[in-house]
Amino acid sequence: DIQMTQSPSSLSASVGDRVTITCQARQDVSNHLNWYQQKPGRAPKLLIYDVSNLQTGVPSRFSGSGSGTDFTFTISSLQPEDIATYYCQQYDDLVSFGPGTKVHLK
Amino acid sequence: EVQLLESGGGLIQPGGSLRLSCAASGFTFGSFAMSWVRQAPGQGLEWVSAISGSGGHTFYAASVKGRFSISRDNSQNTLYLQMNSLRAGDTATYYCAKGTCTSTACLNFDQWGQGTLVTVSS
Repeated sequence: DIQMTQSPSSLSASVGDRVTITCQARQDVSNHLNWYQQKPGRAPKLLIYDVSNLQTGVPSRFSGSGSGTDFTFTISSLQPEDIATYYCQQYDDLVSFGPGTKVHLK
Repeated sequence: EVQLLESGGGLIQPGGSLRLSCAASGFTFGSFAMSWVRQAPGQGLEWVSAISGSGGHTFYAASVKGRFSISRDNSQNTLYLQMNSLRAGDTATYYCAKGTCTSTACLNFDQWGQGTLVTVSS
């Protein structure tokens, strides 16, 4: 399976800050890369699919970019409701998830 | 409205078997690939298994291959996960998740159930 890494593993930011999370795949996953948000006690929620496409209903402050093995997820202006853990996921070769990035409020 | 409702979790002894179910509604069930994803307490997400819309293609994570079996009944809009030879390491919340097309080539999970907890312990 394709190993995924994310950095940082956790971060603290203030409301209004720009937050960036990176995800790296051990091998090329083309554009088969998604981002999920998970709040405590809740199921994950798809935010971004195929690198940069915003899922319906997801606020435009969320965005994604990248290609091949290196990907970036950005929250342009952090809101209190964005406090969660974020996971990248590849589906180019079966499925694997990154280890997650926990976003805290400073 | 799409709904996915898992059931069948519980406490089971090591070596035991359990069958999870996921009842789907609000979409044409047989037109979409489905998966099981699990999450151990306090840990990240781990993909377990996937099945195509027709049920003709199935895939498994190495950690469960040979022990778990995914299936679906499109007439009953239900997804299943048969889990045998359970180990302590299988303890997790198990989520069913919907893909975005019939093939297992599009495993973007756009809908998730609320999860069912499986605890493997003596």
